[in-house]
Amino acid sequence: QVQLVQSGAEVKRPGASVKVSCKASGYTFTSYGINWVRQAPGQGLEWMGWISAYNGNTNFAPKFQGRLTMTTDTSTGTAYMELGTLTSDDTAVYYCARDYEGSGSLFEPWGRGTLVTVSS
Amino acid sequence: VLTQSPGTLSLSPGESATLSCRASQNIRSNFLAWYQQKPGQAPRLVIHRASYRATGIPDRFSGSGSGTDFTLTISRLEPEDFAIYYCQQYVSSPRTFGQGTKVDIK
Repeated sequence: QVQLVQSGAEVKRPGASVKVSCKASGYTFTSYGINWVRQAPGQGLEWMGWISAYNGNTNFAPKFQGRLTMTTDTSTGTAYMELGTLTSDDTAVYYCARDYEGSGSLFEPWGRGTLVTVSS
Repeated sequence: VLTQSPGTLSLSPGESATLSCRASQNIRSNFLAWYQQKPGQAPRLVIHRASYRATGIPDRFSGSGSGTDFTLTISRLEPEDFAIYYCQQYVSSPRTFGQGTKVDIK
């Protein structure tokens, strides 16, 4: 079955960067894009961006432009999300989610999430 | 902007739930989805294109609406349906979510 396995929790200092991985299995990796969605503690869902696993094209939410990088490694079937210049407002659970039926806009299935804590 | 109401819905198992999602602009082609999130879990896609159930979703879940007003109905609530539900638009980028409606046990 389709699975997305994310890397473990991270604690970062303000101003640092964090890189979260999302290893896919159970399907042809390059056939679907990967989205990243985050959720601050007790808050709602926020879409960060999307990357095509086929050609590496990206689409980012404007608020993250300039400090967000998304990449893929097709040899291992892994997607990466790197967020720089972290502040306490970036403390959240970060989820990767595959395109649903190749939509590029719907998210299913999801990884279990990676908690990123930004604290001095 | 997507505005969901009510914020919380307190119901008993077996009852029906009606959740609303209102958009500030027309959502062309009904590009509106609903997600379910249980505590400590990732969200799960329930409905897409306003009224199409995602794979594996039971038929007690139904979606309706068009334009700016959309509804998720859960008939005959089961214990596993008590969760937070988010609507999401995918007609434009950035994709955005509503703030969520919590369906809890009365």
